Amino acid sequence: QSALTQPASVSGSPGQSITISCTGTNSDIGSHNSVSWYQQHPGKAPKLMIYDVSNRPSGVSNRFSGSKSGNTASLTISGLQAEDEADYYCSSYTNSRSVVFGGGTKLTVL
Amino acid sequence: EVQLLESGGGLVQPGGSLRLSCEASGFTFSSYAMAWVRQAPGKGLEWVSAISSSGGSTYYADSVKGRFPISRDNSKNTLYLQMSSLRAEDTAVYYCAKDALGAVPDQFDCWGQGTLVTVSS
Repeated sequence: QSALTQPASVSGSPGQSITISCTGTNSDIGSHNSVSWYQQHPGKAPKLMIYDVSNRPSGVSNRFSGSKSGNTASLTISGLQAEDEADYYCSSYTNSRSVVFGGGTKLTVL
Repeated sequence: EVQLLESGGGLVQPGGSLRLSCEASGFTFSSYAMAWVRQAPGKGLEWVSAISSSGGSTYYADSVKGRFPISRDNSKNTLYLQMSSLRAEDTAVYYCAKDALGAVPDQFDCWGQGTLVTVSS
């Protein structure tokens, strides 16, 4: 199972919005709504930010939102803040009953 | 508070074995599927293995199938990963993760702090 495709890096200024894309195939994102997004700060464990394409766990800011169209999922962060600077990973359940992650996107807040 | 505490990592020679453990607390362990996810130094996340809440179903990445059996002891609230025939490319921080919704181990809402496995001679 090949990794999902994410841009290596994105950047934005405080207050702006950014979107991170995550492209898969008909065997993962295209066939399942178990698409999630994780935030990881350096040296820390990942944190679930979005599950089931667009749902936020309790405690996650509503500045984070998710969507999906076809084989591509997206994470949008609005009102960028300095603490949003981190690595972001998408993941999807697959037809092989496994989970595949994206390669990760480094978000820089300028 | 939900907590996952991994242990068992360390330095091992190629071809060697290690057993990772993950002790869970703060939730009904027997109701949730669990998984192991690893991260090689400076690299991204890689799903390794998962197990259903009862332990009756197990799932593996092709890279570890046949080498890393996953198991759990619900009476001890503990998840295990028995690692054998270790290779240099297995070097990574190994995270224990709790499934968010309980049934299918596909989305993870709680992660341990990770335990480092280094395979080197």
